[in-house]
This record gives sequence, C-alpha cells and structure tokens, in this order.
Amino acid sequence: GDSVTQTEGQVTVSESKSLIINCTYSATSIGYPNLFWYVRYPGEGLQLLLKVITAGQKGSSRGFEATYNKEATSFHLQKASVQESDSAVYYCALRTQVVGQLTFGRGTRLQVYA
Amino acid sequence: EAGVTQSPRYAVLQEGQAVSFWCDPISGHDTLYWYQQPRDQGPQLLVYFRDEAVIDNSQLPSDRFSAVRPKGTNSTLKIQSAKQGDTATYLCASSFPGNQDTQYFGPGTRLLVL
Repeated sequence: GDSVTQTEGQVTVSESKSLIINCTYSATSIGYPNLFWYVRYPGEGLQLLLKVITAGQKGSSRGFEATYNKEATSFHLQKASVQESDSAVYYCALRTQVVGQLTFGRGTRLQVYA
Repeated sequence: EAGVTQSPRYAVLQEGQAVSFWCDPISGHDTLYWYQQPRDQGPQLLVYFRDEAVIDNSQLPSDRFSAVRPKGTNSTLKIQSAKQGDTATYLCASSFPGNQDTQYFGPGTRLLVL
C-alpha cells in the first residue's frame, strides 16, 4: 500500500533559524499522487498547510515551502526563518486518485524557542 | 462558518464497554471521514461517506466498529466492545463536493480504554 515516511519525533530550532522536515513517500497506485503538508497547532484541529498536485511544482504557505520531487519521491518542508508561532505538529500526506484517501506520515513535532 | 464539531471530547472506558462518537461536518460538505490516530502516529482512515453512502470501510474493524450517516449530514461512529488497543484519538473530517484534497478536521475525541 501507500506509505509516507517523515522526520521522526521532535525537531527543536531556535527562532529565526532555518528548518527542514524530510518527507519521502511510496505510492503503489497507478499515477502520481497529490502531496500535502497538514499542521496541528496547539489546541487546534488538523489543517491543511499546503498541497502540490503536479510533479516538479512548489507549494507555499505561511513562509513554508515544499517541492514535489517525483524522481526522489520526496516532498520536504522548508522554512528560511522560523518563529515561535510555528511550533506545531506537521504531517506529510499523499492521496492517489485511485485510492482516494489520505495516507499520513507519523508527524513531526516542531518546537521553536526564543 | 462553523467548523467540524465532535463530541464527546474525551472518553474513558473499561474493556468491553461500548462508546459512540458523534460528528457534525461543515454545512455543504458531502464527504465525511473518520480517522483513528494512535499516540505518536498519523491519522489512519477508518471509513468515509459521500452523502449517506459508505464509499470505503475496508479499514474499519467490522466486528466491533460501525459507522452511519443516515441523512448525509451528521455521523456516528460506535465501538461495541472496546479493547485497550482502541486507545487513540478519533478524528472526523469533511470536504467539499469534488475536492477530497482539502479536508477540514474536527478537534477529535480522545479515547482511553483501561
């Protein structure tokens, strides 16, 4: 079946430093999957951060970026300068047209300190 | 616009007890999803509906779990005889017609089975 692997556990970064959370995927269904980053801020529900449905394209939101690399089957999340308000749990996910459902990674907790 | 609402927010049971979770999706969303999220894992789809019809329940443990959406609006997920392995957060999500990529999640129900 489909699967997503992302940076495990917690990532701790100092405010204004750069961030990368790694994500690689395996999609067994025919066709290229749609790729997503979802985020859960403290006390809030899971919400879509960004998505990319075309290989080679980049998605961006709230200063975060992720590029769909079909050769490397990767979709790493990056930000040049993080803020304390970015502290949250980030989930990489994919959806194939055939299967239709979202497949999530295990999540990466980001802690940004001042 | 109200978001996805779920109740109860927390539940604590002994093994063998039954429990029901309720979800009210965003108005106008035809697709409703139930996910199970064990601690330190990503959400995993249990079942999803389009209107009142079950589209995919292949991951729903049918011997103890059931889900309905009789009028195509609210939905109930029930566990007949809970096991310790059912300890998890149960998330409900909904999406607009024709747009399964963007799912709106509720706050979840945290279930602890002792």
